[in-house]
Amino acid sequence: GEDVEQSLFLSVREGDSSVINCTYTDSSSTYLYWYKQEPGAGLQLLTYIFSNMDMKQDQRLTVLLNKKDKHLSLRIADTQTGDSAIYFCAVNLGGYQKVTFGIGTKLQVIP
Amino acid sequence: DTAVSQTPKYLVTQMGNDKSIKCEQNLGHDTMYWYKQDSKKFLKIMFSYNNKELIINETVPNRFSPKSPDKAHLNLHINSLELGDSAVYFCASSLRGDTEAFFGQGTRLTVV
Repeated sequence: GEDVEQSLFLSVREGDSSVINCTYTDSSSTYLYWYKQEPGAGLQLLTYIFSNMDMKQDQRLTVLLNKKDKHLSLRIADTQTGDSAIYFCAVNLGGYQKVTFGIGTKLQVIP
Repeated sequence: DTAVSQTPKYLVTQMGNDKSIKCEQNLGHDTMYWYKQDSKKFLKIMFSYNNKELIINETVPNRFSPKSPDKAHLNLHINSLELGDSAVYFCASSLRGDTEAFFGQGTRLTVV
């Protein structure tokens, strides 16, 4: 399998919570990231978590990190149509310079 | 001011041609990258440079040659373009190799 895995697609209703999951094979990363890509645009950092943290909350976003299971998740509360995008998790795998991205999860928000 | 800018935004060219994509960052970062995003949106790192030195070359064909004249610029030259090279190419930079990456808007390359 891939070094960083995500599901391809998630569909939620507006106002519901979205949870996007990511698993990785190994990590020497100080930071683990979530990036957002809107249609026709480049990636933008959404949030990140330090590897010594279990949880980080930033307004509607909650990041959970389970280092034992090598699992990272992003929860978006009260999902809005403007949250429709592709979400990439990214971790540093096996090297200082090598930030590896997952395949991206396409979030579709239904009005 | 655009932090990471790449040109052109769109590039349509015939098979066999040679083309270049330019990238510049004004963030004072030491590390720059090229990523390729295919039609399925899968993002793969191609090259990583730190202070003009090549750090990572991820099994990219020799037809792809990055050039870093200074640490603010990382250009990508592609020789003998093939249909499979069609993709969106993203340039990015970061302060260090494990910190937040700032991405350009991408160059959509179409080889016909």
